[in-house]
Amino acid sequence: QVQLQESGPGLVKPSQTLSLTCTVSGDSIYGANYYWSWIRQTPGKGLEWIGYIYYSGLTYYNPSLTSRVTLSIDTSKNQFSLKLSSVTASDTAIYYCARVSRGYDFDYWGQGTLVPVSS
Amino acid sequence: QTVVTQEPSLTVSPGGTVTLTCASSTGAVTSGYHPNWFQQKSGQPPRSLIYSTDNKHSWTPARFSGSLLGGKAALTLSGVQPEDEAEYYCLLYYGGVQVFGGGTKLTVL
Repeated sequence: QVQLQESGPGLVKPSQTLSLTCTVSGDSIYGANYYWSWIRQTPGKGLEWIGYIYYSGLTYYNPSLTSRVTLSIDTSKNQFSLKLSSVTASDTAIYYCARVSRGYDFDYWGQGTLVPVSS
Repeated sequence: QTVVTQEPSLTVSPGGTVTLTCASSTGAVTSGYHPNWFQQKSGQPPRSLIYSTDNKHSWTPARFSGSLLGGKAALTLSGVQPEDEAEYYCLLYYGGVQVFGGGTKLTVL
């Protein structure tokens, strides 16, 4: 059974960089079968796709976030990571990581982690 | 900026049938947009129901089906159960970029 678990600091100050890691178990992150994605959900609102990364390091980003987002992947640790720079209160959200099969199927998700941005 | 539009809310009676739709600001939704549908209940992460228009997962109840309808992606629930009350999101693929719809709150009354 594939499981994904987000981890990172519980609070980020405005203007700082938000950093999160997703640890994958039950499957290898190394391989041509999957992309690995980040999605966020602001409290009480809808979902926003942030981007995804392939095992080779190829990335695709949401155009509205591309100037502030960096995704990376560590196949030796079976983890992938998100960095979002220059955060503001509007970046306060639940951040989810997910596996993407066949290029289009967001089949497995982590439980999500709430990241408040506040001074 | 691409916008994906869903009905904000729908109400259906138990045992009834309801269709949720997903429209793209760029025009008609085709299979090339690989529509995904997710169900989200309060306090839980989204759960994938349908991918690439009409493909189900092993965990997707048979009463859920995906299709293309009148230039939109559609999710139909037939024989709705009380536990189907949830928020439903669609997701469309735009050549490497993914865009979520705003979600439909489905009430079973």
